[in-house]
Amino acid sequence: QSVLTQPPSASGTPGQRVTISCSGSSSNIGINVVNWYQQLPGTAPKLLIHTNNLRPSGVPDRFSGSKSGTSASLAISGLQSEDEAHYYCAAWDNNLNGAVFGGGTQLTVL
Amino acid sequence: QLQLRESGPGLVKPSGTLSLTCTVSGDSINSSIYYWGWIRQPPGRGPEWIGSIFYLGSTHYNPSLRSRVTISIDTSKSQFSLKVTSVTAADTAVYYCARHRSSWNWFDPWGQGTLVTVSS
Repeated sequence: QSVLTQPPSASGTPGQRVTISCSGSSSNIGINVVNWYQQLPGTAPKLLIHTNNLRPSGVPDRFSGSKSGTSASLAISGLQSEDEAHYYCAAWDNNLNGAVFGGGTQLTVL
Repeated sequence: QLQLRESGPGLVKPSGTLSLTCTVSGDSINSSIYYWGWIRQPPGRGPEWIGSIFYLGSTHYNPSLRSRVTISIDTSKSQFSLKVTSVTAADTAVYYCARHRSSWNWFDPWGQGTLVTVSS
């Protein structure tokens, strides 16, 4: 059972916009920044969004992040087949005094 | 370009000690901004943070693993290491090392990962 809750799956067709949610609590998302990772099959996770809504160099602007209260969302616009991957949210939890990850959302491009 | 690479045994016996090393190249491990972290990912599950170390040796550990985990650093070799004692099958996972911006809690980049299986 992960501290951060994500839907196990999401899907969309090429060109569509999809969003992935991440639900936490007042001890993590409510007071700390949220980061998102993309994990392509057979590879290590890659930082996709940091500090709620900032994209590292090289990440397309099709990817965007937002946070409101104790929840966060990752949005992918202009969906492409290469976006098919697992997506994980992460934050620091002040009660646990540690970094926590969501259980992940597997995105399928139909 | 910063790169990290994990190395160590892929098979550990139950009740034994898991030992891994991460070699950092392309940038200095003596950073005043970043920590260096270990994360593991059991098969089919999300990542789990194990702990992180600063180049001066200060550490942060996941409270759920703290009693069994030690992270150390050798700046002369640009390496940091992980030891997990009293392992069980539940410790079977892909183990990653990564640079950790602890103030904002993001990990980037990650090493390629190494699978460690706990089995007799």
